[in-house]
Amino acid sequence: EDKVVQSPLSLVVHEGDTVTLNCSYEVTNFRSLLWYKQEKKAPTFLFMLTPSGIEKKSGRLSSILDKKELFSILNITATQTGDSAIYLCAVEDGSGTYKYIFGTGTRLKVLA
Amino acid sequence: NAGVTQTPKFQVLKTGQSMTLQCAQDMNHEYMSWYRQDPGMGLRLIHYSVGAGITDQGEVPNGYNVSRSTTEDFPLRLLSAAPSQTSVYFCASRGKGAFGNTIYFGEGSWLTVV
Repeated sequence: EDKVVQSPLSLVVHEGDTVTLNCSYEVTNFRSLLWYKQEKKAPTFLFMLTPSGIEKKSGRLSSILDKKELFSILNITATQTGDSAIYLCAVEDGSGTYKYIFGTGTRLKVLA
Repeated sequence: NAGVTQTPKFQVLKTGQSMTLQCAQDMNHEYMSWYRQDPGMGLRLIHYSVGAGITDQGEVPNGYNVSRSTTEDFPLRLLSAAPSQTSVYFCASRGKGAFGNTIYFGEGSWLTVV
C-alpha cells in the first residue's frame, strides 16, 4: 500500500530558529513530491520536486528530494510567526490516475 | 479568476440527512477529486475523476458518491449522514499532463453531523 509519512507531527520553535520537516514515502509509481502550507483554509502550494528537479528554493524555504532513500526535507530558516501552519507533503501517483497521497502533516508553531 | 469553488462553506446536518457538496472549476482541468481532512489524519482521498463520465474510489469512499457529467462540476453526495462524516472537505483539480502541473484546492467545506 502506498504511503507518505511525515515527521515530526508537531514542532514548537522560537522566531529566528531553523526547522527541518521530513517526508518519507513508499509509492509504487512515483511521479512528483509536493509541499503545501496550510493555515486556516485550503493548502497553498510551496514546491514540486521531481526526479529531474530535486532541489527547490524560495526565500527562506528550501526543499530537496532524495530519490534513492525516498524522502524529502523542507527547511525553513529564520522562522517567523507567519510560518506557523500545517505543512503537508504529497506524492503524485504516476500511473495515470493523477492521484495524490498525502502525509498527515507537520504542525509548526513559531513563538515570538 | 475563480479557480476551484466549493459550496457551502459551512453546514450542519442531522444524522440520516443527505446533502450535496458542490465543486466547480473554471480551469478546464480534467482531474478532480474530493478529500476529507480530520485532525491527525492528513488529507484522505474520497473519490476522484480523470475526466467527464469517469469516476473512481479513493481511500475512504464509503457513505459518499460522486458523478462527473461535465468537466467543470464534481459534486459529492452524502447519502445518509453519520457523525463520523463530520470533517473538513476539500475539492481539488489538476490539469492533465506531465510535470509542472499541481493541484488546486477549493476553500473547504466544514461539515458537522449531529
